[in-house]
Amino acid sequence: ETGVTQTPRHLVMGMTNKKSLKCEQHLGHNAMYWYKQSAKKPLELMFVYSLEERVENNSVPSRFSPECPNSSHLFLHLHTLQPEDSALYLCASSQDFGGQGPNTGELFFGEGSRLTVL
Amino acid sequence: RKEVEQDPGPFNVPEGATVAFNCTYSNSASQSFFWYRQDCRKEPKLLMSVYSSGNEDGRFTAQLNRASQYISLLIRDSKLSDSATYLCVVNPGSGGYQKVTFGTGTKLQVIP
Repeated sequence: ETGVTQTPRHLVMGMTNKKSLKCEQHLGHNAMYWYKQSAKKPLELMFVYSLEERVENNSVPSRFSPECPNSSHLFLHLHTLQPEDSALYLCASSQDFGGQGPNTGELFFGEGSRLTVL
Repeated sequence: RKEVEQDPGPFNVPEGATVAFNCTYSNSASQSFFWYRQDCRKEPKLLMSVYSSGNEDGRFTAQLNRASQYISLLIRDSKLSDSATYLCVVNPGSGGYQKVTFGTGTKLQVIP
């Protein structure tokens, strides 16, 4: 079993649909992330939850809505998306030491959810 | 200037060759540096951290030049299995959650 699992792996949706991406981590980490990866662009950080509180939101459109019910689960709710939102959405987790521990820089990623918006 | 800049490649090299990738970063206050590897249609995974004094892990050597704000990755004796995209990653801070910035990646193709 991988440390970070994402479902679904593939999703095709119309612009008027509502869907959700799910992420679960089994590593005991206390920080979780959503990243967007588009072709020929660097990974873009969308949301960060640390200790279950959202600590960063990089000006993501409101059609993307995150939810973190506990430290092991993270959702990304999608509604009225645009075709340019088609991308690979990666969930990641890490251990947040609150500035007191080592910065290992290690993010553990799930395999991603490939989203196509028609 | 991009926060983290890499040559996208692709670098096509024969097996056994030595290949080097460079990466530049714009924030001079950046604290820590990493190389990630991403195989085709897979998730990124940490390859190695980059330390000020340089560090080596088997066939892989990472170097940091703070004055010129670049980091490098050297791969010796390339294997077919090294074919992947190599992502340069920079963290402006220390501790806490990972506020890292990713480069676009450099694609390596090792040819038999």
